[in-house]
Amino acid sequence: GQQVMQIPQYQHVQEGEDFTTYCNSSTTLSNIQWYKQRPGGHPVFLIQLVKSGEVKKQKRLTFQFGEAKKNSSLHITATQTTDVGTYFCAGRKNYGQNFVFGPGTRLSVLP
Amino acid sequence: DSGVTQTPKHLITATGQRVTLRCSPRSGDLSVYWYQQSLDQGLQFLIQYYNGEERAKGNILERFSAQQFPDLHSELNLSSLELGDSALYFCASSTELAGRTDTQYFGPGTRLTVL
Repeated sequence: GQQVMQIPQYQHVQEGEDFTTYCNSSTTLSNIQWYKQRPGGHPVFLIQLVKSGEVKKQKRLTFQFGEAKKNSSLHITATQTTDVGTYFCAGRKNYGQNFVFGPGTRLSVLP
Repeated sequence: DSGVTQTPKHLITATGQRVTLRCSPRSGDLSVYWYQQSLDQGLQFLIQYYNGEERAKGNILERFSAQQFPDLHSELNLSSLELGDSALYFCASSTELAGRTDTQYFGPGTRLTVL
């Protein structure tokens, strides 16, 4: 079945450093979503990518969908303590199918 | 606040027991999803309902069942509980209009502890 992997599993950064998490799917995806879960909270939708090679930005966050639509990345510039949490990618092979979530990357930001 | 409500917030029970988790989706959302998140783990998709009918099934155990009612709220029933069933159970909802991919809005979760 479809598998979605994320690396790294954990990342500790100093406040102000950049951070990147990578998401890789075993199959080509129709679209991919990113979610953030703060400690003790629930996942919150960040963004959806649909087109091959698509790049979207949200303030300090940059999301990219690979040309082959099998991988994606989330890059945070100049991390802040408010960025702490676990970042999940979720990929869907075809419309009408359920999303498969990656295991997440847990980000710690040291002040 | 996502607009998705889940009750109860916490549930502590014993092995072998049966519990029911309840979810009310956002107003207007027809789709409800159930996920299991074990300690420090990712989200495991269990099942999805759309407008009262089962749409997709994930890694849901036979001891677990769910349904979506005419008013669109959903219940997840867990029976013959085992220690390993202890986890956070999230419900999410989305609109799912005409095959368009919509955001999943997650509820606050129900933390189940099986002793």
